[in-house]
Parts: sequence; C-alpha cells; structure tokens
Amino acid sequence: GNSVTQMEGPVTLSEEAFLTINCTYTATGYPSLFWYVQYPGEGLQLLLKATKADDKGSNKGFEATYRKETTSFHLEKGSVQVSDSAVYFCALQEYGNKLVFGAGTILRVKS
Amino acid sequence: EAGVVQSPRYKIIEKKQPVAFWCNPISGHNTLYWYLQNLGQGPELLIRYENEEAVDDSQLPKDRFSAERLKGVDSTLKIQPAELGDSAVYLCASSLIGENEQFFGPGTRLTVL
Repeated sequence: GNSVTQMEGPVTLSEEAFLTINCTYTATGYPSLFWYVQYPGEGLQLLLKATKADDKGSNKGFEATYRKETTSFHLEKGSVQVSDSAVYFCALQEYGNKLVFGAGTILRVKS
Repeated sequence: EAGVVQSPRYKIIEKKQPVAFWCNPISGHNTLYWYLQNLGQGPELLIRYENEEAVDDSQLPKDRFSAERLKGVDSTLKIQPAELGDSAVYLCASSLIGENEQFFGPGTRLTVL
C-alpha cells in the first residue's frame, strides 16, 4: 500500500536557523502531497500542498517541492522562529481523499 | 467561521466501558472523516462519510467500533467495550466533496485504564 516516511525527531534548532524535514513516499500513480502542522493543544492545520510533479507549495515562509524522480516532498524554511515549534506531518492523498500520514516530526526552536 | 468542533476534549474510562465521541463539522462540509492517532504516530483513517453515507469504513474495527451520521451533519463515534489499546487521540475532519483540503478538529484524547 501507499506509505509516507519522515525523518525522525525531535529536531532542535536555534532561532533563525535553516530547517529541512525530509519526507519520502511510496505510491502508485502521482498522489497529491501535503504538509500539516500541529501546534500544542490544537488540531492539524494544512501548511502547504502540491498536486503534481515539480509543483512547489509555500506558506508562512515554508516551502516544499514535489519531486517525482526521488519521490520526495521535503519541507524547508530559511529562518525558523520559536513560534514554529510544533509537530509536522507529511501526507499523501489517495483515491477518495483518504490521507496517508507519516509519523510526524517534532520541531523545537530555541531562542 | 467556526472550525470543526469535537467533544469531549478528554475522556478517561475503565476498560470494558462504552465511550462516545461527538463531532460537528464546518457548516456546509458534506464529507466527514474520523481518524485515530496513536502516540508518536500520524493519524489513520477509520471512516469517511459523504453526507450520511459511510463510503469508506474498511479500517473501522467493526467488532467494537461504530459510527453514525444520521442527518448528514454531526457524527458520533462509539467504542463498546473499550480496551486498553484504544487509548489514543480521535480526530474528526471535514471537507467539501471534491476538495482535497481537510479541516481537523482538536481531537478527543481517550485514556482507558
């Protein structure tokens, strides 16, 4: 079946550091890809998405590019803030809108 | 605009007891999802409704879990009887049919003792 693999956390960075969270997927066809973020005590929120190969999703300074050749959708941000501390989930969308999530990566940003 | 509402936020029960979770989706969203999120893992789909019809319940453990969405709006997920392994967060999400963005509620954290 389809699956998503994320880098294990926690990832701990200093404020203004560069962030990369790796995500690779296994799927038949070309699913839509998503990054969701979960802040403490809150529900998952869509951060960004890409629906076809070479698309770049971006939001709030975060970016991810749909790479068909490497089946990857790595999340990047040039300068993280303490407020970015959260759990980040990579996901793919199967037929029927079912989301398949990775295990999540905890990000901690220190001031 | 109000988001997806879930209640209760937290629930602690003894094993073998029944428990129910309630979800009210965003107004106008005709697709509703229930997900299970175990500690340290990503959410996994339990059931998906389009209006009042369960169109995908293949991952719902039907021996103890049941769900309903009688009027195509709010939904209830029930576990009877609960087991220790059911301790997890139960998430509800909603979307418009044909739209790929799902909006999630804050979840219900269940602890089974």
